[in-house]
Amino acid sequence: ETGVTQTPRHLVMGMTNKKSLKCEQHLGHNAMYWYKQSAKKPLELMFVYNFKEQTENNSVPSRFSPECPNSSHLFLHLHTLQPEDSALYLCASSQETSINEQFFGPGTRLTVL
Amino acid sequence: AQKITQTQPGMFVQEKEAVTLDCTYDTSDQSYGLFWYKQPSSGEMIFLIYQGSYDEQNATEGRYSLNFQKARKSANLVISASQLGDSAMYFCAMREMTGGGADGLTFGKGTHLIIQP
Repeated sequence: ETGVTQTPRHLVMGMTNKKSLKCEQHLGHNAMYWYKQSAKKPLELMFVYNFKEQTENNSVPSRFSPECPNSSHLFLHLHTLQPEDSALYLCASSQETSINEQFFGPGTRLTVL
Repeated sequence: AQKITQTQPGMFVQEKEAVTLDCTYDTSDQSYGLFWYKQPSSGEMIFLIYQGSYDEQNATEGRYSLNFQKARKSANLVISASQLGDSAMYFCAMREMTGGGADGLTFGKGTHLIIQP
């Protein structure tokens, strides 16, 4: 149990659907992250939130919309996705320290039809 | 250019043997951190070990050690006495710290390690 939970664990959606991924951390951390893991590609950083403020948007298309209402919760709102967006979406959290070890959730396996 | 290079897409190792997973990195920063994560088939990324660029000693955590060669920009993971449960994907990652605060990690493509009985 890493203290970072993600729901749902699996999601299948059509290109016209709107869905949201949820991440919750129970570690008292103040930074949260979204990563995308596609087949045969390294994990790609998507967004960084530090004390609820977005500090990094790694050139992510606008069809992905993050939301961080507080330091414990992070959402990724999805709309009009493409089949190439099918991937494992991983959430992570960390304390804002020089070491900045990041703890990951189990991920949401997304399939876009 | 890749910032993290893992040259071994897959490895087969006999149980109880030691295994070294290669990682080289590219950065012009003086301050950075290097990480290794394990990802079993369940998908969760499990933190294994950390090495700071200013750390003079190689990091160790139980059966894991990091062979840090700064001049060569190499941060290989060594697993001693491998076990069947070590079978997983292993990722090397780096955080460049010049920005300060919370920053994302840059990951390599990973090595798929399979431990054989």
